[in-house]
Amino acid sequence: ETGVTQTPRHLVMGMTNKKSLKCEQHLGHNAMYWYKQSAKKPLELMFVYSLEERVENNSVPSRFSPECPNSSHLFLHLHTLQPEDSALYLCASSQDLQFGPHEQYFGPGTRLTVT
Amino acid sequence: AQTVTQSQPEMSVQEAETVTLSCTYDTSESNYYLFWYKQPPSRQMILVIRQEAYKQQNATENRFSVNFQKAAKSFSLKISDSQLGDTAMYFCAFMKHPSLAGSRLTFGEGTQLTVNP
Repeated sequence: ETGVTQTPRHLVMGMTNKKSLKCEQHLGHNAMYWYKQSAKKPLELMFVYSLEERVENNSVPSRFSPECPNSSHLFLHLHTLQPEDSALYLCASSQDLQFGPHEQYFGPGTRLTVT
Repeated sequence: AQTVTQSQPEMSVQEAETVTLSCTYDTSESNYYLFWYKQPPSRQMILVIRQEAYKQQNATENRFSVNFQKAAKSFSLKISDSQLGDTAMYFCAFMKHPSLAGSRLTFGEGTQLTVNP
């Protein structure tokens, strides 16, 4: 595997379910990100991790719970979601937060549908 | 707070022709980065080109080049010799100089580009 991978690619869940999204980067990067992409809206940054430490939480509801066990893996745990949470969830990574290079590399996304 | 505006929701171009996508931004920062990303129907977000604000020279990557006007806060993308594979949503993005506090990318709303045969 190369680049940034995400699983699953598609997920349908009920409002009472608990599920997790997984992201893995094979680039040796130190920073990882979760973004939400809804229809007709710009990408929204959700969380930023640097060396497994969360450095930014962009006012995301607590029904979204991130986890970064190591610098290569990032999870997004989901529980009691709402239909408006249906979106494409994108994971990204970058070499380093402070020193760069600063390009972010994205995974293919998980298309989430909440019923 | 930074904002990024892409005023063209949709554009189309004939294959082999040149097209320019517009982007303006608003910031009080003096040191920052600008990016263009493309998102084809596969939904994979791909970096197209980047520009550091302190560099006066416009960035170029093969058929892709930018016109960076710092005073006007404008960052347009020119695609030369358009190809069918260039059909995608194009996002302009801004990042202030990162720090340990975070490296937030602020995205515009995107421009859907269609290349016609």
